Amino acid sequence: GQNIDQPTEMTATEGAIVQINCTYQTSGFNGLFWYQQHAGEAPTFLSYNVLDGLEEKGRFSSFLSRSKGYSYLLLKELQMKDSASYLCAVRDYKLSFGAGTTVTVRA
Amino acid sequence: NAGVMQNPRHLVRRRGQEARLRCSPMKGHSHVYWYRQLPEEGLKFMVYLQKENIIDESGMPKERFSAEFPKEGPSILRIQQVVRGDSAAYFCASSPPNFDRPSEAFFGQGTRLTVV
Repeated sequence: GQNIDQPTEMTATEGAIVQINCTYQTSGFNGLFWYQQHAGEAPTFLSYNVLDGLEEKGRFSSFLSRSKGYSYLLLKELQMKDSASYLCAVRDYKLSFGAGTTVTVRA
Repeated sequence: NAGVMQNPRHLVRRRGQEARLRCSPMKGHSHVYWYRQLPEEGLKFMVYLQKENIIDESGMPKERFSAEFPKEGPSILRIQQVVRGDSAAYFCASSPPNFDRPSEAFFGQGTRLTVV
């Protein structure tokens, strides 16, 4: 089975940086995904890691350490529109999600 | 290239009625996942299907819930004799046969089920 933990809420200021941590324990591992979900909308894909290290994609970066069962999503130059829930998901043959981290960006 | 299509977007049912939720995957995708999301909570895996096959239904409640993905037509999530606790958003995601490229799990817009 899968056990995926991430903080419930985070607050940051516009223009700042926020790091969302995710720890996981899984019986199998074939990649870690980050999704963004705005209230009332579908999750949308942000980033994917299968090997250790940092993946950078514009203002968003994601890091993975498989030996530690640890990932983080880094959001830089925060904008008001980044206020959303961020979901960490681990794949063996299916995607299993953490409960999500609600990020609130304040002016 | 249409995305994952779910219908209806909103569904209201009285207690005891049946709810049927439909999901048409993206073109070329033969794998479908169903997730349930309660307010302020994460996505809970329910079932993983290929065409004409249930791969994993470990997240499905033992009673009243069933899912299918026939050779032709959309995937259907069926909830019989709905209760108030079934009120939630139900999301479908699809992926191609080789789920080994990033961003290959695409989500539909969800069906919001309200049981009154």
